[in-house]
Amino acid sequence: AQSVTQPDIHITVSEGASLELRCNYSYGATPYLFWYVQSPGQGLQLLLKYFSGDTLVQGIKGFEAEFKRSQSSFNLRKPSVHWSDAAEYFCAVGAFSGGYNKLIFGAGTRLAVHP
Amino acid sequence: DAGVIQSPRHEVTEMGQEVTLRCKPISGHDYLFWYRQTMMRGLELLIYFNNNVPIDDSGMPEDRFSAKMPNASFSTLKIQPSEPRDSAVYFCASRVSGSSYEQYFGPGTRLTVT
Repeated sequence: AQSVTQPDIHITVSEGASLELRCNYSYGATPYLFWYVQSPGQGLQLLLKYFSGDTLVQGIKGFEAEFKRSQSSFNLRKPSVHWSDAAEYFCAVGAFSGGYNKLIFGAGTRLAVHP
Repeated sequence: DAGVIQSPRHEVTEMGQEVTLRCKPISGHDYLFWYRQTMMRGLELLIYFNNNVPIDDSGMPEDRFSAKMPNASFSTLKIQPSEPRDSAVYFCASRVSGSSYEQYFGPGTRLTVT
């Protein structure tokens, strides 16, 4: 069955520090992978996506993610974190089930940023 | 372009009352999804529609929950009767066929049942 694991529930970093959020997926075929961000009181916003091609994808707000098939991972990175990046981050995999496509979400990682 | 629109943004109701949440998907999108988010269970898919037809409602928790999509621009999620354990944030999302799973989310409705 398709699944997504985000091993870190909470992460705290200092402003200006680098960030890496982990995501591991389970899917039998070539995955469609996504990272979404949810700011407090807001809906989920798409940060970036991977479908095929270059395994390093760039997203909005200075984020990037790297697809590693051998590790079944799609980790999110940012070289220098800003206070406004404090939010919850969700990794998701596109799953084809019953003839239709849907997203399977991880449990999320809550990011806190210290000044 | 307007994104996914949800109303109300906040709803407080008493146990036993009927609650109706509303969603307007992005124009031209033919898939619509209802999710529920809680601290305990995270983000759960409740039901989704394609071309106004319910495709998979296996995530609907029980018969107290029902969802409809009478036309391409409007959907409702109804809880009757509501219970305190239904307190959560309910999200609506939409996407267009061929967009390879990419969904666009509304701002959510925070429901509190007292």
